[in-house]
Amino acid sequence: AQSVTQPDIHITVSEGASLELRCNYSYGATPYLFWYVQSPGQGLQLLLKYFSGDTLVQGIKGFEAEFKRSQSSFNLRKPSVHWSDAAEYFCAVGAEEYGNKLVFGAGTILRVKS
Amino acid sequence: GAVVSQHPSWVICKSGTSVKIECRSLDFQATTMFWYRQFPKQSLMLMATSNEGSKATYEQGVEKDKFLINHASLTLSTLTVTSAHPEDSSFYICSARDGQRHSYEQYFGPGTRLTVT
Repeated sequence: AQSVTQPDIHITVSEGASLELRCNYSYGATPYLFWYVQSPGQGLQLLLKYFSGDTLVQGIKGFEAEFKRSQSSFNLRKPSVHWSDAAEYFCAVGAEEYGNKLVFGAGTILRVKS
Repeated sequence: GAVVSQHPSWVICKSGTSVKIECRSLDFQATTMFWYRQFPKQSLMLMATSNEGSKATYEQGVEKDKFLINHASLTLSTLTVTSAHPEDSSFYICSARDGQRHSYEQYFGPGTRLTVT
C-alpha cells in the first residue's frame, strides 16, 4: 500500500537557522510529490511540487525540496527560517497509477523560537 | 487563478440533522473533485473522489449513505453529512483538478469546520 512518512512530529528551530523537514514515501509507481503548509484553522497552501525533471525544486517563501528516488525521499529545506514560518507542514504523494489520489503524511509542526 | 471556495466556512448543527457543504471551482472546470476530512492535530484523510456527472468513489471505511457527494456540474460538488453525530465533527476540505490542464495538481479549498452538538 502507498504510504508517506514524516518522521518528525514536532521540530523547533531558532529564527534565522536552517530547516529540513523529512518526507519518505513508499509507492509502487512513479510518484509526484507536494509540500503544503497549514496554519491553525486554515486550509492548505502549496509550497512546491515535483512532477518530473530537475530533482531540486524551488517553491514559494524561500523553500526548496529535493527528490531522491534512490532514498524515496522528498525533504523540504529552507536556509533561514522566519518566525512567520511557524505552522504545520504536510508532504503528499500521488501517482497516476493510483487514480491521482493524494496520500498525506502525518504532518510536522514547526515551532520557531526567537 | 485556480481558486476553490467552500461554503460555509464553519457550521454548527444539532445531532441528527443534516448539513450540506459546497465546494466550487471559481475560475476553472473541475472534472474531478476530492473530499478530505481532518481531525484535530491529525493529517488529511481522503474520503471520496467525485467525477462530474458520475457517482463518487468512496474510500474504504467511509459510509456512502452518511456522506452523500454530488458533483452535478464542472464547478460544483457538494458533501452532505446526513444524520450528523458529534463524532462527525471535523474539518472538511475539498480539492479540485483542472480538467483542461495536464497536471496532477489539486487545488484546495479553505475548509469547512463542522461542529455537531
